[in-house]
Amino acid sequence: GENVEQHPSTLSVQEGDSAVIKCTYSDSASNYFPWYKQELGKRPQLIIDIRSNVGEKKDQRIAVTLNKTAKHFSLHITETQPEDSAVYFCAASIHPRGGGADGLTFGKGTHLIIQP
Amino acid sequence: DTEVTQTPKHLVMGMTNKKSLKCEQHMGHRAMYWYKQKAKKPPELMFVYSYEKLSINESVPSRFSPECPNSSLLNLHLHALQPEDSALYLCASSPRETGGYEQYFGPGTRLTVT
Repeated sequence: GENVEQHPSTLSVQEGDSAVIKCTYSDSASNYFPWYKQELGKRPQLIIDIRSNVGEKKDQRIAVTLNKTAKHFSLHITETQPEDSAVYFCAASIHPRGGGADGLTFGKGTHLIIQP
Repeated sequence: DTEVTQTPKHLVMGMTNKKSLKCEQHMGHRAMYWYKQKAKKPPELMFVYSYEKLSINESVPSRFSPECPNSSLLNLHLHALQPEDSALYLCASSPRETGGYEQYFGPGTRLTVT
């Protein structure tokens, strides 16, 4: 099955600096890679995603890059703000053998801390 | 309605109890999911339903029994659980079967098994 590795587990950056979180996946059939932000006691919230036919996607201060050959994808947050502090999860799609909707396998998460 | 809702928010049950978790969405999504999340861990996929049919069961013990009575509703029936089953149970829905990939999560049910 799919295996997703995520690094680092904790990332502390100064407010205003950039943060980068990296993930690798194992199943070359995966074709969808979302990133979720989860604040303490709340639900995971989708912040950005990318499909395998695209190399990069940007939404304001957040960008995601995908290298299909190397099976790497990364989240980039620029001009970090205190409200960016949270746990961030990467994920990759899992395809059911018999057809139907994909599930997601998640990385272990990165605790991002923005220092004022 | 653009949200996934879950009831109850909190549930405490004994190991011999039978209870059910409920999830609802009115976004017209035809794919629905159950995930389990332990503290400081990522969500783990349990079940996927596509057009009310079970398409993925990630080797979940039979004490967890999913049910999808219609396209808006997803239940998780619980019976004879163990203390290690205590976790946050998240429901999600997706327009995957109609072209979109995004999965939207509900707020979860925090389950404690005593």
